[in-house]
Amino acid sequence: GAVVSQHPSWVICKSGTSVKIECRSLDFQATTMFWYRQFPKQSLMLMATSNEGSKATYEQGVEKDKFLINHASLTLSTLTVTSAHPEDSSFYICSARELKGIIYGYTFGSGTRLTVV
Amino acid sequence: AQTVTQSQPEMSVQEAETVTLSCTYDTSENNYYLFWYKQPPSRQMILVIRQEAYKQQNATENRFSVNFQKAAKSFSLKISDSQLGDTAMYFCAFMNLQTGANNLFFGTGTRLTVIP
Repeated sequence: GAVVSQHPSWVICKSGTSVKIECRSLDFQATTMFWYRQFPKQSLMLMATSNEGSKATYEQGVEKDKFLINHASLTLSTLTVTSAHPEDSSFYICSARELKGIIYGYTFGSGTRLTVV
Repeated sequence: AQTVTQSQPEMSVQEAETVTLSCTYDTSENNYYLFWYKQPPSRQMILVIRQEAYKQQNATENRFSVNFQKAAKSFSLKISDSQLGDTAMYFCAFMNLQTGANNLFFGTGTRLTVIP
């Protein structure tokens, strides 16, 4: 079945630095990928929709300059948290949609736990 | 806007017993999908079951089945013969097919614990 690889699985960074998270679809092409943020014991909140070859669409309240999304190919989307602060510490999850797979739901990556110290 | 409500933050069930998780949603659209996802302690989101809104027949996947009441906008998940591995967070999700993005809207989740 469809597999989405997300790296790193966890990262600790210093306040003020930037962190890049990668989301790859391993066995299918994904024109659209989604980035979610999940706080402890809470639901997934959609941050942005990443479309291959075009600019990402951000949800209201999400800072575009802070959470940079790049979807340069049909198998890779990246989320860069710039100038990270402790309040950016969270669990980030990506998901990808196959070109023909909408009725099957989306495949999720295994998530990245970001801790900013 | 679509909203998804899961009114049971936590539930528990004895192993081998049956449990039902509730979910309601609010939408003015007519063409959509509904999903139940499972998130075990590993945090990996796993698709449990899906339902197309145009289908009247309730979806089933082995021990998992849904009770889809379109008029009532209700989409409950029934887990039969509960197993220890079913312990996880369960999220109900809605996907609107009318819009181009087709992103998922998640409920707040229900933490299910299967007791040995």
